[in-house]
Amino acid sequence: GNSVTQMEGPVTLSEEAFLTINCTYTATGYPSLFWYVQYPGEGLQLLLKATKADDKGSNKGFEATYRKETTSFHLEKGSVQVSDSAVYFCALKGNSGNTPLVFGKGTRLSVIA
Amino acid sequence: GAVVSQHPSWVICKSGTSVKIECRSLDFQATTMFWYRQFPKQSLMLMATSNEGSKATYEQGVEKDKFLINHASLTLSTLTVTSAHPEDSSFYICSASPASASTDTQYFGPGTRLTVL
Repeated sequence: GNSVTQMEGPVTLSEEAFLTINCTYTATGYPSLFWYVQYPGEGLQLLLKATKADDKGSNKGFEATYRKETTSFHLEKGSVQVSDSAVYFCALKGNSGNTPLVFGKGTRLSVIA
Repeated sequence: GAVVSQHPSWVICKSGTSVKIECRSLDFQATTMFWYRQFPKQSLMLMATSNEGSKATYEQGVEKDKFLINHASLTLSTLTVTSAHPEDSSFYICSASPASASTDTQYFGPGTRLTVL
């Protein structure tokens, strides 16, 4: 079945540091890939997505590229801020019908000033 | 747009009682809603998929008689935890897919924290 593996946290960075959170997936066909963010005390919010190979999703300075050859969708940001502290979830969705999202375990990011 | 609400946001109940959680799509019609539970510092685990007007599809290992799901309208799905026990304490999250959008679009509610004493 479909699955998502992302790097375990927590990740602690200083403000303005470079961020990478690794995510790899296993799926049949051509799934859509997502990054969701969950800020403290809030629900999940879609951060970015990519629906086909070589697509790059980007939002709020974050970006991730759909790499089919390495089955990866790593999240990157060039300069993190304290306000980026949250839990980040990588997810995929199969392309057959209205299938549910499959989530990775989440990576907690703490950015310190 | 695309707001999903959940009610209540938190609930504390005694062991053996039943608790109902509502999930509403406020500004769109949702043919499909999903229910997840999230344990502390862990990922979301899909419990069931709910389609309007039909029976929910439960994931393996989820007791359908314990977690009753009703999706009676295009804007409302409910999850009832029957005869709740302390091990049912968790964060329950719903999401909804708009009828008019592409199938990869899901909007999440803020979650309901259930504590069973």
